[in-house]
Amino acid sequence: DSGVTQTPKHLITATGQRVTLRCSPRSGDLSVYWYQQSLDQGLQFLIQYYNGEERAKGNILERFSAQQFPDLHSELNLSSLELGDSALYFCASSVSSGWGASNEAFFGQGTRLTVV
Amino acid sequence: GQQVMQIPQYQHVQEGEDFTTYCNSSTTLSNIQWYKQRPGGHPVFLIQLVKSGEVKKQKRLTFQFGEAKKNSSLHITATQTTDVGTYFCAGGKKTSYDKVIFGPGTSLSVIP
Repeated sequence: DSGVTQTPKHLITATGQRVTLRCSPRSGDLSVYWYQQSLDQGLQFLIQYYNGEERAKGNILERFSAQQFPDLHSELNLSSLELGDSALYFCASSVSSGWGASNEAFFGQGTRLTVV
Repeated sequence: GQQVMQIPQYQHVQEGEDFTTYCNSSTTLSNIQWYKQRPGGHPVFLIQLVKSGEVKKQKRLTFQFGEAKKNSSLHITATQTTDVGTYFCAGGKKTSYDKVIFGPGTSLSVIP
């Protein structure tokens, strides 16, 4: 158990809909990262938050947005869903803003989103 | 922009054979991390390399960071079925904020 909790584990929804994925980081971790992993694809970085503020943006679509709340949990909102958005969405957390600098990231179990 | 590549994409080995995956960055890295993702699982941190030319070992796993800090390798000696999974390298680069780019991964299958 990594200590990172993601809900829900599975989500099936129709095209055009909007969903919210939730992530609770490990206790004490201030950074939250969101990744998308499609079938046979690697991990595509979407966005990072550190202590409530957006820190870095990757290949995140305009239809997607995220936020980190004062209690440090984070939500990833996906709207106007398309079939191609079907993927595994991972949240990861680390202690500092500098994941690459000194410490590893801990991944949650992921949310499998299926758009039909 | 910065890119991190890995080869091979897939590798099938007989149990007991050795396995190596290579990671290459288009730019100099501050550090490199390796993660393993079992089928149906989530990425789990294995190790971080920081120094040029660094070599670290974890039992049957040997990790190397190149002298130019642009490439890395993971070598598994005498593979076991428990080694099955996808191995990702993640290149860290200091900019105005720290940034990590994952490679596409090498999927390892071990035939008993």
